[in-house]
Amino acid sequence: ELKVEQNPLFLSMQEGKNYTIYCNYSTTSDRLYWYRQDPGKSLESLFVLLSNGAVKQEGRLMASLDTKARLSTLHITAAVHDLSATYFCAVDESGGAQKLVFGQGTRLTINP
Amino acid sequence: NAGVTQTPKFRILKIGQSMTLQCTQDMNHNYMYWYRQDPGMGLKLIYYSVGAGITDKGEVPNGYNVSRSTTEDFPLRLELAAPSQTSVYFCASSLVVGPTDTQYFGPGTRLTVL
Repeated sequence: ELKVEQNPLFLSMQEGKNYTIYCNYSTTSDRLYWYRQDPGKSLESLFVLLSNGAVKQEGRLMASLDTKARLSTLHITAAVHDLSATYFCAVDESGGAQKLVFGQGTRLTINP
Repeated sequence: NAGVTQTPKFRILKIGQSMTLQCTQDMNHNYMYWYRQDPGMGLKLIYYSVGAGITDKGEVPNGYNVSRSTTEDFPLRLELAAPSQTSVYFCASSLVVGPTDTQYFGPGTRLTVL
C-alpha cells in the first residue's frame, strides 16, 4: 500500500525567508504532483514531476524529485504573504491513470 | 469554459437519508474522479472513471456509488448517510493523454450528516 508523508505539517515563517517542504513516499512511482489549496477553496495544480532529478520552478516555488530516495521537495525562496496556503503532494499509484495518493498537507503561514 | 462544476455547495443530511452529488466538466476530459477531504487531512480517492460506462473503486468506496453515462457527468450517490460521511467532496477531471496532464478540481461540496 502506497503511503505519502509530508513534513512539516505546519510551518510558520517570516516574509523573505527560505524554507523547504518534504514529501516522502513508500513505493516506486514515476509521477508526483504538487497542489496548492487556499482556505475553503479547491485545489490548484502547481507541478508535475516525472523523472528522477526533475526540477521545476514557478516564481518563488521550486519542486524537485529524487525517485531513488522516494523524496520530493518544494522549496520556497524569499517567501511572501501571498504564498500562505496548504500545499499537498500526491503520488500516482497506477502508472498513468492518476490514481493519486495524497499527503496530509503542509499548512504554510507567512507572516509580514 | 466553466471547468469542473459541482452542486450543491453545501448540504445537511439526516442519518439514513440519501443524496446525489453532481459533477460536470466541459473540457472533454476522459478521466474523472471523486475525492473526500476530512478536516485537516489530505484527499482520499472514492471512485474514478476512465470514460463513459467505466468506473472503478478508489481507496474509500464503501457507502458510495457512481455512474458515468456521458463524458461530461460523473454523479456520486450516497445511500443511507452516516455521520462518518461528513466531509468535503471534490470532483476532478483530467485528460490523461500526455505525461504532464494534471487533474482539475471542482469547488467542492461540503456535506454534514447529523
